Amino acid sequence: GNSVTQMEGPVTLSEEAFLTINCTYTATGYPSLFWYVQYPGEGLQLLLKATKADDKGSNKGFEATYRKETTSFHLEKGSVQVSDSAVYFCAPGGGYNKLIFGAGTRLAVHP
Amino acid sequence: DTGVSQNPRHKITKRGQNVTFRCDPISEHNRLYWYRQTLGQGPEFLTYFQNEAQLEKSRLLSDRFSAERPKGSFSTLEIQRTEQGDSAMYLCASSLISGATANTGELFFGEGSRLTVL
Repeated sequence: GNSVTQMEGPVTLSEEAFLTINCTYTATGYPSLFWYVQYPGEGLQLLLKATKADDKGSNKGFEATYRKETTSFHLEKGSVQVSDSAVYFCAPGGGYNKLIFGAGTRLAVHP
Repeated sequence: DTGVSQNPRHKITKRGQNVTFRCDPISEHNRLYWYRQTLGQGPEFLTYFQNEAQLEKSRLLSDRFSAERPKGSFSTLEIQRTEQGDSAMYLCASSLISGATANTGELFFGEGSRLTVL
């Protein structure tokens, strides 16, 4: 089955800093890849997705590229804001396959 | 609101009692998933339905857990004889699987039902 390894947190950054959260996965075939975000006190929300190799998902200034050769889907943002403070989850799967979530990476952004 | 709805949002119970959670998915979605999330961890898959059929159950789902989706719409998750280790957030998600969305469909999550077993 699918599995995912995420960069451990917490990640603490100053506002406007560059963010990278690493994610690697193992999967049968070529799953879709997702990043979900969980803001304090809220449910999981889809942040971005990519459905095939070399696709780049993007949303709210975040980006991630589906790298088949390295089985990775690293999340990046050029300039983080305090409002980006949340827990981020990488998840392969989707479609006919259930999502398998990583342990999550907590991001704390300070002014 | 047309999102995934879960009730109750928070349940406190004593060890040994039974509890039931309800999930109302997005109306046109044919798949419904249950996940469990403990503090500091990612959601763990429990089970899922396609329409009314339960297609997969995780090994995490002990005999004390049962889930139903009798008419292919809402679903219930019942935990019998609760234990303190059952304390967690129970998440429901739904998706639409069709030929066009087979490999792209994301899951839409509810806000969860938090269980505290004393």
